[in-house]
Amino acid sequence: QVQLQESGPGLVKPSETLSLTCTVSGGSVSSASYYWSWIRQPPGKGLEWIGYVYYSGSTNYNPSLKSRVTISVDTSKNQFSLKLTSVTAADTAVYFCARVYSIYDSFDSWGQGTLVTVSS
Amino acid sequence: DIQMTQSPSSLSASVGDRVTITCRANQSISTYVNWYQQKSGKAPKLLMYGASSLQSGVPPRFSGSGSGTDFTLTVSSLQPEDFATYHCQQTYSNPYTFGQGTKLEIK
Repeated sequence: QVQLQESGPGLVKPSETLSLTCTVSGGSVSSASYYWSWIRQPPGKGLEWIGYVYYSGSTNYNPSLKSRVTISVDTSKNQFSLKLTSVTAADTAVYFCARVYSIYDSFDSWGQGTLVTVSS
Repeated sequence: DIQMTQSPSSLSASVGDRVTITCRANQSISTYVNWYQQKSGKAPKLLMYGASSLQSGVPPRFSGSGSGTDFTLTVSSLQPEDFATYHCQQTYSNPYTFGQGTKLEIK
């Protein structure tokens, strides 16, 4: 059974870059049937899709974040990563990584989530 | 962006009740709707995909229906472990968007 685990700093200063990594076990990021995605949830609020990456490196981003987001994949480490630049307090959220099944693009496996707080 | 509107925002029910949650899209999205269950402090869990297909391992008391703009998630007989927040999601077009969530509480 696939498992995903987010890692990265829990505190980022305003204007700096948020960087998170998702390590996949029990499955391969090189599988042609799946995309690999990031989603976030501000405290007490709803879910926001950030974007996804395919094993080939092709990406699809939420236009509202596209100018600040980079999602990349490292097949040798079985990981994928998120970088979000120029963060503000509005970027404070629990960040989840997830596997996306190409049938209806359903998010069928999720990491536990990691809280990232933007504060000086 | 496609807006997904869930109703109700919150719902109180008892064990054994049948409950239905509705999700409405502001444009037609065929059957590109997925439903998730999220318990406090946990990641969402996929329940239904393609509006009416049950994800593997999910109890059959959960069912989904709809196409176009109107979708429902039904729990036929609530169990104690079903009290959680439920989210619909459209994956018809970028950006993928979620409803605001429906919190299902014990009466």
